Amino acid sequence: GDSVTQTEGLVTVTEGLPVMLNCTYQTAYSDVAFFWYVQYLNEAPKLLLRSSTDNKRTEHQGFHATLHKSSSSFHLQKSSVQLSDSALYYCALNTGANTGKLTFGHGTILRVHP
Amino acid sequence: GGIITQTPKFLIGQEGQKLTLKCQQNFNHDTMYWYRQDSGKGLRLIYYSITENDLQKGDLSEGYDASREKKSSFSLTVTSAQKNEMAVFLCATSGWGGFEQYFGPGTRLTVL
Repeated sequence: GDSVTQTEGLVTVTEGLPVMLNCTYQTAYSDVAFFWYVQYLNEAPKLLLRSSTDNKRTEHQGFHATLHKSSSSFHLQKSSVQLSDSALYYCALNTGANTGKLTFGHGTILRVHP
Repeated sequence: GGIITQTPKFLIGQEGQKLTLKCQQNFNHDTMYWYRQDSGKGLRLIYYSITENDLQKGDLSEGYDASREKKSSFSLTVTSAQKNEMAVFLCATSGWGGFEQYFGPGTRLTVL
């Protein structure tokens, strides 16, 4: 079946520094779409980024990600993190079914400190 | 835009008890989902439904039942609550094509 692997556990970064949260996947399908969801404390997860185009950079709220099918990756990056970026981040895979069914990774907690 | 409402926000039950969680949406979306959120284990799909009266099992369906009697509502029943399934249960919806899922605020289940 499909699987998504994210950077394990907790990533701690100093405010103003860059961050990269890793996401790799395994699937037998070639028609895929990827998503990053963000969940702030005591809130529901919400969509941050999505992409289905190979090698095209996608950006939102200062974050960016590029789907690389050659390396099965969709890493999330930001060049300068803010305290407000502290949250739980999920990477998710859709394999082209119109049901919208997603396979989620285990999540990575990003903690930004002053 | 729209709203997803989950009730109750907190649910406390006894071990072995049958418990029901409810989800309502006014997005007019076709597909609805139930996920279980455990720390360090991500979001695991329990059931989903692509239209009224349709039910599809996810990876974690054992021990749960679901019901989609109306397009706008999707219920999840824990058939016999166990202490190891204390978690947050999230409801989500998506429109046709399904690329973006919208999540509700969650129900936190505690089993005594």
